[in-house]
Amino acid sequence: AQSVTQLDSQVPVFEEAPVELRCNYSSSVSVYLFWYVQYPNQGLQLLLKYLSGSTLVKGINGFEAEFNKSQTSFHLRKPSVHISDTAEYFCAVSDKGGSEKLVFGKGTKLTVNP
Amino acid sequence: DARVTQTPRHKVTEMGQEVTMRCQPILGHNTVFWYRQTMMQGLELLAYFRNRAPLDDSGMPKDRFSAEMPDATLATLKIQPSEPRDSAVYFCASGLVSGGSPLHFGNGTRLTVT
Repeated sequence: AQSVTQLDSQVPVFEEAPVELRCNYSSSVSVYLFWYVQYPNQGLQLLLKYLSGSTLVKGINGFEAEFNKSQTSFHLRKPSVHISDTAEYFCAVSDKGGSEKLVFGKGTKLTVNP
Repeated sequence: DARVTQTPRHKVTEMGQEVTMRCQPILGHNTVFWYRQTMMQGLELLAYFRNRAPLDDSGMPKDRFSAEMPDATLATLKIQPSEPRDSAVYFCASGLVSGGSPLHFGNGTRLTVT
C-alpha cells in the first residue's frame, strides 16, 4: 500500500517570493507521482506528474517538482508566486502497473499575501 | 474541453433520508473513482470502477453506502440512511488507467446532513 505525507498543512508566503511545498511518499512498489491544485469550491486539477525519466518535471502555472527516489520525496516549487496561486495543493501517488488508484496526502494550504 | 459532471452541486437533507449523487464521466474513460473530502480526513477513496465493474469499495461503510455504474455514462453513489457524519464534499473522478494517465475531477457534491 502507498501513503503520502505532506509536511506542512499551511504555508503563508508573500507575493513574488519563492515557495516549496514538501511531499514524501511510502511504497513497496514503483509509483507514479502527481501534484493537484484545488481552488475554492472546485474539484482538483492536475499541476504536473512524474511517470519516469527526468527527475525534474515542469507543470502548469510555472510550477515544477523534483523526484528524489533515495529520499522518497516529490517536492513542489515555484520561483515567484502570485496572489492567484492561493489554493490547496495535494500530492498523490499511484502504483505502477497495478490499480493505479490515487492515494492523496492531506493537502497544503498555500496563502499568498500582497 | 471534456469534463466530469456531478449533480447536484449542493444537497441539504435531514438525517435518515436517502441521498443519491450522480456523475457523468468523460467519454472514453475506463475508470471512475468516488472520493470523499472532509477537513479531518482529507481525501478518502470510497470506491472505484473499471470498465463499469466495481474493483474496490473497501473505503465505503457497507451498511449505508452503495455505488453503481449502470452504464458507461453514469455512476451513482447512494447513502441510505444518511447521517450527520456523512456531511462532506463527494468527488467523482474519471481516467484512462494506462501508464499514469491523470484523473479528471468533477466539481463535487457538497452534502450537508442535519
